[in-house]
Amino acid sequence: QTVVTQEPSFSVSPGGTVTLTCGLSSGSVSTRNYPSWYQQTPGQAPRALIYNTNKRSSGVPNRFSGSILGSKAALTITGALADDESDYYCVLYMGGDTSVFGGGTKVTVL
Amino acid sequence: EVQLVESGGGLVQPGGSLRLSCVASGLILTDHYMDWVRQAPGKGLEWVGRSTNKATSYTTEYAASVKGRFTISRDESQNSIYLQMNSLKSEDTAVYYCARDIVGAPSWGQGTLVTVSS
Repeated sequence: QTVVTQEPSFSVSPGGTVTLTCGLSSGSVSTRNYPSWYQQTPGQAPRALIYNTNKRSSGVPNRFSGSILGSKAALTITGALADDESDYYCVLYMGGDTSVFGGGTKVTVL
Repeated sequence: EVQLVESGGGLVQPGGSLRLSCVASGLILTDHYMDWVRQAPGKGLEWVGRSTNKATSYTTEYAASVKGRFTISRDESQNSIYLQMNSLKSEDTAVYYCARDIVGAPSWGQGTLVTVSS
């Protein structure tokens, strides 16, 4: 059973930059996994930030960017705002029309 | 504007069944891959299953945790997709979301809560 790994938590200062990663318990993440990133605040539906590695969803500010860094997918937040304090989830396409979510990263802005 | 609206959630006893609906506006569902995702209370997101588009014969795949119990179907005339859930367990308690292609062109509904309890 493949596990998608994310950091449990991250802290960033207002105006700072943070990079969250999304890896596999076995193997490397590539663009063929179409890594996608979601932001979720309590009680709300997930909001799509990045899909297919680095494509920004409509209305998402350009301080959110996606990439592949080494063997992992990455979400970088540049110039963090208080509003960015949320849970962030990555999801990877695993082939055969199946996908797996990571456990999520709780980002604190302080 | 794309809108997905789920319905059909509620309280059901263990072993029971429930059918969730997701009706779309602003897009033709037959053209799109569609996913169901759930989130148990206080937990992370879990992919439940996928229906491919009409061009690929609406093929379905499911997470191991629901395979054999859940079934995804579509109604073209209603521009809707459904999640039939049978043999429900307490661990199926969650908010269920329908979404267009979670890795390709994502758009999500607001979710519907399913509670499995006696």
